[in-house]
Amino acid sequence: QVQLQESGPGLVKPSETVSLTCAVSGYSISSGYYWGWIRQPPGKGLEWIGSMYHSGRTYYNPSLKSRVTISVDTSKNQFSLKLSSVTAADTAVYYCAKHRTHHSAGAFDIWGQGTMVTVSS
Amino acid sequence: QSALTQPASVSGSPGQSITISCTGTSSDVGGYNYVSWYQQHPGKAPKLMIYDVSNRPSGVSNRFSGSKSGNTASLTISGLQAEDEADYYCSSYTSSSTVHVFGTGTKVTVL
Repeated sequence: QVQLQESGPGLVKPSETVSLTCAVSGYSISSGYYWGWIRQPPGKGLEWIGSMYHSGRTYYNPSLKSRVTISVDTSKNQFSLKLSSVTAADTAVYYCAKHRTHHSAGAFDIWGQGTMVTVSS
Repeated sequence: QSALTQPASVSGSPGQSITISCTGTSSDVGGYNYVSWYQQHPGKAPKLMIYDVSNRPSGVSNRFSGSKSGNTASLTISGLQAEDEADYYCSSYTSSSTVHVFGTGTKVTVL
């Protein structure tokens, strides 16, 4: 049974870079599927941030592309999100999720429980 | 890439059927059969309910069904139950550089 678990700092200062990690259990990232990040500001809807394949191929939301990096560490079976130059608008619950397909168009069938990131001085 | 358009709220009595619409364009909903629906209870992660327009993952009740006509996809919940009260989001693959776009979300209330 595939499970995802996000981890992160919780509180970040404006203009800093936030780094989040998604640990995957029950499946080897190297075996395939796309893996993604989605966020949800308090009281608002879902926003796709980006997705990646174990080979390192990535797709990013154009509205965030200049500030986002998604990378994979197959030795630790985890993937990460870095978001730079954060502002209060980046305050949100950040979810990692698995695509149900080996291409980036597939739905997200497994989600982590989410980790809250608050941007405040 | 704008979010897909959903009604803000839909309500129904127990046992009734309700339908949630999700309107996009020919570049997303209308152009691909990669429409999915997610259920989200307060404080919880979203749960996949429908994928590829009309397919249910294992374990999802057959009271949930999906369809698509043109640029609009729909989620129907039949035999509405109290546990169905939640927020629902549609999502679609898009040919734009955004790749994935979510809907604005619909709050379902069971009266």
